[in-house]
Amino acid sequence: AQTVTQSQPEMSVQEAETVTLSCTYDTSESNYYLFWYKQPPSRQMILVIRQEAYKQQNATENRFSVNFQKAAKSFSLKISDSQLGDTAMYFCVETSGSRLTFGEGTQLTVNP
Amino acid sequence: DTGVSQDPRHKITKRGQNVTFRCDPISEHNRLYWYRQTLGQGPEFLTYFQNEAQLEKSRLLSDRFSAERPKGSFSTLEIQRTEQGDSAMYLCASSSTSAVDNEQFFGPGTRLTVL
Repeated sequence: AQTVTQSQPEMSVQEAETVTLSCTYDTSESNYYLFWYKQPPSRQMILVIRQEAYKQQNATENRFSVNFQKAAKSFSLKISDSQLGDTAMYFCVETSGSRLTFGEGTQLTVNP
Repeated sequence: DTGVSQDPRHKITKRGQNVTFRCDPISEHNRLYWYRQTLGQGPEFLTYFQNEAQLEKSRLLSDRFSAERPKGSFSTLEIQRTEQGDSAMYLCASSSTSAVDNEQFFGPGTRLTVL
C-alpha cells in the first residue's frame, strides 16, 4: 500500500520569504506521479505542481519548485517570494493510476 | 464548463437518517472519484467510476454507503443510517483517462454534520 507522510503539521513564513515543506512517501510501484495540492480556507483543492517519477529533473512552476529525491523517496516543496494568498493547507499526494493517496497536510500561514 | 460542482454544500442530519449527495464532474471527464476528509486530515479515497462502471471501492466504504453513476455523467453518494462518525467533508473529483498523470479536479465538497 502507498503511504505519504508530512511531518510538519504547521508552518509559518513572512511575506516575500522562502519556505520548504517536507514530504516522504512509500510505494511499491515503479511508475508513479507526485503532486502538491493546495486547499485554501473554505475553498476547493487545486493542483500546485506535479512530478513524474521517471523524470530526474525537478519540476518548477513560477514561484513553486520541488526537490525530488527518488532513492530517498522524498518530495519537498519550496515556495519562493511567499505571498499572503499562499496561506493554505498543502497536501503531498502520490498516485500510480486511479486513487490519490494524500499526506496529512501542512498548514502554511504567510504573515504580513 | 465551470468545474466540478457538488450539492448540497452543507448538510445537517440526525443520527439514523439517510442522506444523498450529488456530484457533477467536468463534462469531458470520464473518471469520477469520491473522497472523505475529516477535520485536519488529508482526504481518503472512497470509490471511483470510469464512465458508468464502479471500478474500485475502499475498505472505508461500509455497506451503509452506496455510490452510483447511472449515465456516466453525474454521481450520487448515499449514506444510510448515518452515524456521528460519518461527519466529514465529502469531496468529489474528476479526471480524464487521457491525462497520463491522472490529475484530478476537485469540487468544493459537501460538509456533513450528523447530530
